Amino acid sequence: AQTVTQSQPEMSVQEAETVTLSCTYDTSESDYYLFWYKQPPSRQMILVIRQEAYKQQNATENRFSVNFQKAAKSFSLKISDSQLGDAAMYFCAYGSTDSWGKLQFGAGTQVVVTP
Amino acid sequence: DGGITQSPKYLFRKEGQNVTLSCEQNLNHDAMYWYRQDPGQGLRLIYYSQIVNDFQKGDIAEGYSVSREKKESFPLTVTSAQKNPTAFYLCASSGLAGELSYFGPGTRLLVL
Repeated sequence: AQTVTQSQPEMSVQEAETVTLSCTYDTSESDYYLFWYKQPPSRQMILVIRQEAYKQQNATENRFSVNFQKAAKSFSLKISDSQLGDAAMYFCAYGSTDSWGKLQFGAGTQVVVTP
Repeated sequence: DGGITQSPKYLFRKEGQNVTLSCEQNLNHDAMYWYRQDPGQGLRLIYYSQIVNDFQKGDIAEGYSVSREKKESFPLTVTSAQKNPTAFYLCASSGLAGELSYFGPGTRLLVL
């Protein structure tokens, strides 16, 4: 079974600065998907970014980018030019290609943004 | 607009009572999922269904039951056998492999 580990319970960042959230995972599969979700106080899960394992190029979405290291089984999220609206819980998740909606989630990292 | 609706937003359960959480989607997605979220934890998979009239247990299915009679609907029943039902419940759906997972707004279940 796959496991996802987020080792940072909380990260603090100042507005306009950059913060990096770490995520490691364990799998024996060669092809899979990785996701970062944002959960604000409303508790709505919002997909931030996704990465297909067969793609070597790191995914980017505006101010959000990932550093995908397949051999190291590492998938970190970088938030650039942090904004107050980025404050939320961030979850890393793993999905298999045969049923990738069956996601394995990490425990989450709380991002605090200070003015 | 396409999306997932969950109702109710809050639900209270008495001891020994079964309660049902509703999940409806109009995204024409084949697969639907139920996740449970406890404070300070990530989401855990309860049940999932990849096609109408078929569903599979997830990691924490004990004390829960589901049905999938229509493509659009995937209700979750929390039975009296679930001894610790207080949690936040999220429904999700997905289409073909590679498409995004969409989540509903969630239902908060509390025990009286």
